[in-house]
Amino acid sequence: DGGITQSPKYLFRKEGQNVTLSCEQNLNHDAMYWYRQDPGQGLRLIYYSQIVNDFQKGDIAEGYSVSREKKESFPLTVTSAQKNPTAFYLCASSIGRRVNEKLFFGSGTQLSVL
Amino acid sequence: GESVGLHLPTLSVQEGDNSIINCAYSNSASDYFIWYKQESGKGPQFIIDIRSNMDKRQGQRVTVLLNKTVKHLSLQIAATQPGDSAVYFCAETSIRGSNYKLTFGKGTLLTVNP
Repeated sequence: DGGITQSPKYLFRKEGQNVTLSCEQNLNHDAMYWYRQDPGQGLRLIYYSQIVNDFQKGDIAEGYSVSREKKESFPLTVTSAQKNPTAFYLCASSIGRRVNEKLFFGSGTQLSVL
Repeated sequence: GESVGLHLPTLSVQEGDNSIINCAYSNSASDYFIWYKQESGKGPQFIIDIRSNMDKRQGQRVTVLLNKTVKHLSLQIAATQPGDSAVYFCAETSIRGSNYKLTFGKGTLLTVNP
């Protein structure tokens, strides 16, 4: 089955800790994205990558970091600098490199602070 | 209209009725629109999309209507079923430029009563 796999489903972060959320896709899509979703809010873009070894900041990149070493993988690290990390994190991909295409989403990771 | 804070607009319908979910957009340059369905604790799923050269597009049990004059989009679901219960949100972008990212609405919570 082709798709986007996010893991873990639930993640807990301690004070001062960095945590990494995994996102893997086997759709052979060029672009990948990370969004943050807070209750009752629209999706907000954290980072995106249109090609391997390149990525761009989105609207709320502070306190987050990413890498794109392989086309299939786009992990997101939530650093200790992110003071309000509790949210539902969604990874997405699109077929081409343009950022104005239809997105396909993973099943999400719920991050909570202990 | 949309509520502020944590409260989503809600729509409650009886099973078998038709549902109409609305979305207002603000950017006159937007010319590509997408509807997504998001069930609780899951990632958004693509439902249907429409370009601005069309006023109406039909899918299986769903119809999207676009009124560019008043910048309004609606999603109609025919014969609503309990499995349609979810948050529905629209996204807008422009396909004319290469750097217009998707902007997401906050969504409407649809509840289908058996």
